[in-house]
Amino acid sequence: DAGVTQSPTHLIKTRGQQVTLRCSPKSGHDTVSWYQQALGQGPQFIFQYYEEEERQRGNFPDRFSGHQFPNYSSELNVNALLLGDSALYLCASSFSGAMGGTEAFFGQGTRLTVV
Amino acid sequence: GDSVTQMEGPVTLSEEAFLTINCTYTATGYPSLFWYVQYPGEGLQLLLKATKADDKGSNKGFEATYRKETTSFHLEKGSVQVSDSAVYFCAPRGSARQLTFGSGTQLTVLP
Repeated sequence: DAGVTQSPTHLIKTRGQQVTLRCSPKSGHDTVSWYQQALGQGPQFIFQYYEEEERQRGNFPDRFSGHQFPNYSSELNVNALLLGDSALYLCASSFSGAMGGTEAFFGQGTRLTVV
Repeated sequence: GDSVTQMEGPVTLSEEAFLTINCTYTATGYPSLFWYVQYPGEGLQLLLKATKADDKGSNKGFEATYRKETTSFHLEKGSVQVSDSAVYFCAPRGSARQLTFGSGTQLTVLP
């Protein structure tokens, strides 16, 4: 089992550009969540996808959008990049079974640098 | 919304010392509680969990007990090793089904 995989691992973009990050969940998982982790901070929840729909959303602007595909993989898109979007973006997957779901497993993250 | 307060770091200990990292939380509903660990340059790894009051999660010598009356989930280890040096995050998951993280606690263990 490959676990949660994210691509790319590192990315450098220019302010104003758009970026797409990708995530493949752990086998058997159907729910994908995205988090932003600024340097020296804890992860902040961006949104969660289940059954190809956004189920929950954190306090992030509409520049942040996502998608989940029928195979449960997911993309995070960020438009009009700002310098403050530089961070480690983490994807987590889980299974939405009974009792609120299983524990979340995280990928290694994508380090985005906006210059 | 949900929130978590963790012991401020950084924490520096000598090898074989006793570790406690305090964590208190507020969360909607009846949350599940998790501790995650992050090694430099990596993602988060699940360390342990507890899903109901008085449950004790344990893994790799680390333990934490779900204390509903004090809304706490303190992490302990009897004898730390250099390899335990990392950042530790306490995270409740409430009725919104999302994890809430604090700033984490940086632990450095010296040989």
